Amino acid sequence: GAVVSQHPSWVICKSGTSVKIECRSLDFQATTMFWYRQFPKQSLMLMATSNEGSKATYEQGVEKDKFLINHASLTLSTLTVTSAHPEDSSFYICSARSLGYRNNYGYTFGSGTRLTVV
Amino acid sequence: GDSVTQMEGPVTLSEEAFLTINCTYTATGYPSLFWYVQYPGEGLQLLLKATKADDKGSNKGFEATYRKETTSFHLEKGSVQVSDSAVYFCALSVGAGNMLTFGGGTRLMVKP
Repeated sequence: GAVVSQHPSWVICKSGTSVKIECRSLDFQATTMFWYRQFPKQSLMLMATSNEGSKATYEQGVEKDKFLINHASLTLSTLTVTSAHPEDSSFYICSARSLGYRNNYGYTFGSGTRLTVV
Repeated sequence: GDSVTQMEGPVTLSEEAFLTINCTYTATGYPSLFWYVQYPGEGLQLLLKATKADDKGSNKGFEATYRKETTSFHLEKGSVQVSDSAVYFCALSVGAGNMLTFGGGTRLMVKP
């Protein structure tokens, strides 16, 4: 079945540094990538939607200059948290969507990245 | 806008008990409905789905029926196991290629 590989699974970084999270679709082409953020014991909140080769569309309240999303190819999307601060500590999950692939009605989730900023 | 409401947890059951997790929705269009499961420290996995009214999604003993008249998609399982302990999310999507809208999640704990 379809697989999205998300790395790293966890990362600890110092305040002020940047962290890059990668999501790769291993056996299908991800025309759309959704990036979610999940706070402890809460639901997933959509941060942004990106289509391959286009600029990402950010949800209201999400700083596009802080959360840089790149979807340069159909198999790779990255989220970079720039100048991270402790309040950015969270669980980040990507979800790939492929309209033409018969998998899970088209949504495949990565395993998530737990970011801790100290 | 679209929204999903599901019962708050945690839900604590003994092994082999019957499980129901309620989910209701509001949508501007005709949604597809999903249940996702999240095990500790992992991402979400699709559990089951239904794309039209009266469809029943089923997987691993879990079932949910798309009830348009009550705008509901309740998750049920006849006999839960300890390995079913996880967080369950109800979600909807309207239109092809659109994002998923999630409910708040319900934590299920099954005790032996």
